Amino acid sequence: DAGVTQSPTHLIKTRGQHVTLRCSPISGHKSVSWYQQVLGQGPQFIFQYYEKEERGRGNFPDRFSARQFPNYSSELNVNALLLGDSALYLCASSARVGYTFGSGTRLTVV
Amino acid sequence: GIQVEQSPPDLILQEGANSTLRCNFSDSVNNLQWFHQNPWGQLINLFYIPSGTKQNGRLSATTVATERYSLLYISSSQTTDSGVYFCAASTGTASKLTFGTGTRLQVTL
Repeated sequence: DAGVTQSPTHLIKTRGQHVTLRCSPISGHKSVSWYQQVLGQGPQFIFQYYEKEERGRGNFPDRFSARQFPNYSSELNVNALLLGDSALYLCASSARVGYTFGSGTRLTVV
Repeated sequence: GIQVEQSPPDLILQEGANSTLRCNFSDSVNNLQWFHQNPWGQLINLFYIPSGTKQNGRLSATTVATERYSLLYISSSQTTDSGVYFCAASTGTASKLTFGTGTRLQVTL
């Protein structure tokens, strides 16, 4: 079985641009969460979706948005990119207990 | 929200040595996990352990929920154990995992 898959693996964007990151959960997992990890820190929670509904939102500005599709895959969108948005973006999926993480998308904003 | 603290922040071991990593949390938890982050950024789930003791090969973990701490034991360490170890927890109906700041482990020959 495939694990949590994320795309793209690496991305370079310019300040002010928009970015879309994608995540496919483990088959059968209906919950998808997004985390941001800046260098030297632990991951920080951004969003959780379950059955296409937002179930939680972290302390991130409105430039960050997400959605979940009927097949439970998810997109994270970030508008008006800032240099400080450079980070590893991790997606996690969950069935009933525990979370499994993907390999992440490394976003660099220049 | 819940606070998660890990110690030590850094650890250097010789291959073959044993180590204990600690995670303290500030509230009752319904989910506690230990992860290993490899140099490429992949977060690998080691244990789901909100309470009790589990073992998987050279690794074992114990969570004492009433005293709000968890321990990760690494025995006979290998160079491939190097990386950052994170403890993460969630509480009540909260859906999010709160991560500690990690323990950076370096295993040398």
